[in-house]
Amino acid sequence: NAGVTQTPKFQVLKTGQSMTLQCAQDMNHNSMYWYRQDPGMGLRLIYYSASEGTTDKGEVPNGYNVSRLNKREFSLRLESAAPSQTSVYFCASRAPSGTGNQPQHFGDGTRLSIL
Amino acid sequence: KQEVTQIPAALSVPEGENLVLNCSFTDSAIYNLQWFRQDPGKGLTSLLLIQSSQREQTSGRLNASLDKSSGRSTLYIAASQPGDSATYLCAVLEAGKSTFGDGTTLTVKP
Repeated sequence: NAGVTQTPKFQVLKTGQSMTLQCAQDMNHNSMYWYRQDPGMGLRLIYYSASEGTTDKGEVPNGYNVSRLNKREFSLRLESAAPSQTSVYFCASRAPSGTGNQPQHFGDGTRLSIL
Repeated sequence: KQEVTQIPAALSVPEGENLVLNCSFTDSAIYNLQWFRQDPGKGLTSLLLIQSSQREQTSGRLNASLDKSSGRSTLYIAASQPGDSATYLCAVLEAGKSTFGDGTTLTVKP
């Protein structure tokens, strides 16, 4: 089972370049999430999508855009990369549940460095 | 705004010791609380999930409790082993989005 797949795993960009991080899940989950993790810190939510066709801002959305292309795929775009966006980016997905009994499943992360 | 705090930030114990990691949150209107393990340079591995209606969950040597009214959760690790060394993160889920704590980095010395 692939679960949540993120590409690429590593990337180095120059300031001002643009890039799209890809995420796909094969578990038929409705909800998908993008987080960033800076050294020594927990994960902070950038954007999330509760279902296909909807997206909402999280805690740190500035400088990012997202697209929920279909139920499987949720991409994160940096239009003009800045050194402050150097981080590890994680994608997650979750099945719908009215009782909160469904866990989040995470990808392995994309390590992004911006020079 | 939900805030999640994990104390201590780092913990070092000798092998075999029982230990407790703490997680507190400010808004009790949560759907669930999830504990994760993260090894250096790696992704997150889910350990336990406690629904808002539950008090605790157990898996092997791990036991997680939830007291929603006081905004607290604990992760109890019994008979710690060097292989338990990692960073442990808690996250609360509410209204479609999650908030994470900054984690507790655990070192178990042989």
